[in-house]
Amino acid sequence: EADIYQTPRYLVIGTGKKITLECSQTMGHDKMYWYQQDPGMELHLIHYSYGVNSTEKGDLSSESTVSRIRTEHFPLTLESARPSHTSQYLCASSEEGTGANVLTFGAGSRLTVL
Amino acid sequence: AQSVTQLDSQVPVFEEAPVELRCNYSSSVSVYLFWYVQYPNQGLQLLLKYLSGSTLVESINGFEAEFNKSQTSFHLRKPSVHISDTAEYFCAVSSSGNTPLVFGKGTRLSVIA
Repeated sequence: EADIYQTPRYLVIGTGKKITLECSQTMGHDKMYWYQQDPGMELHLIHYSYGVNSTEKGDLSSESTVSRIRTEHFPLTLESARPSHTSQYLCASSEEGTGANVLTFGAGSRLTVL
Repeated sequence: AQSVTQLDSQVPVFEEAPVELRCNYSSSVSVYLFWYVQYPNQGLQLLLKYLSGSTLVESINGFEAEFNKSQTSFHLRKPSVHISDTAEYFCAVSSSGNTPLVFGKGTRLSVIA
């Protein structure tokens, strides 16, 4: 039973559109993450947050932005989508104070930009 | 910065045969190590983890991994695979509880009947 939800699961849009990928978790986790996944490549961290009103960029440069206004919600926004943004986006969360970042992942949002 | 190398991008194996998926990480004073599994059209699920203590860790479905500090490795093994084990397997590492996980490129395990 998934405790972290991503919507939409699949999205096909045209170039230049603004899109928001939603991510919500019901576990009360402080830490949340966005990873980008392409076939045969490492999962690349693009954004993370260690609490409300705290966001950081990851190791992969990304034109997306995130916000963390509520603990349970961590949406990712692309202001103007391009074909290079076509990818799978994975949201994850982890609990503060476990001593290690044991991640729980959502099912992913697969974005195709035409 | 930490890095993870998964030496095999694809591993085909016959059902009931043993399998080893290799993972090496860049050296650090202390590390936390993980294996995640991704079934088709799903997110990643934690398979097993090494945080401290015994260097051999096991999952509930028969996989095991051994932390080898001298070889900076955390290879995943299963003595007898099933068709249902067909999936992508990702090795990951972090050097502390405050650093995000770094993942390898993944190994696609294909179990052949």
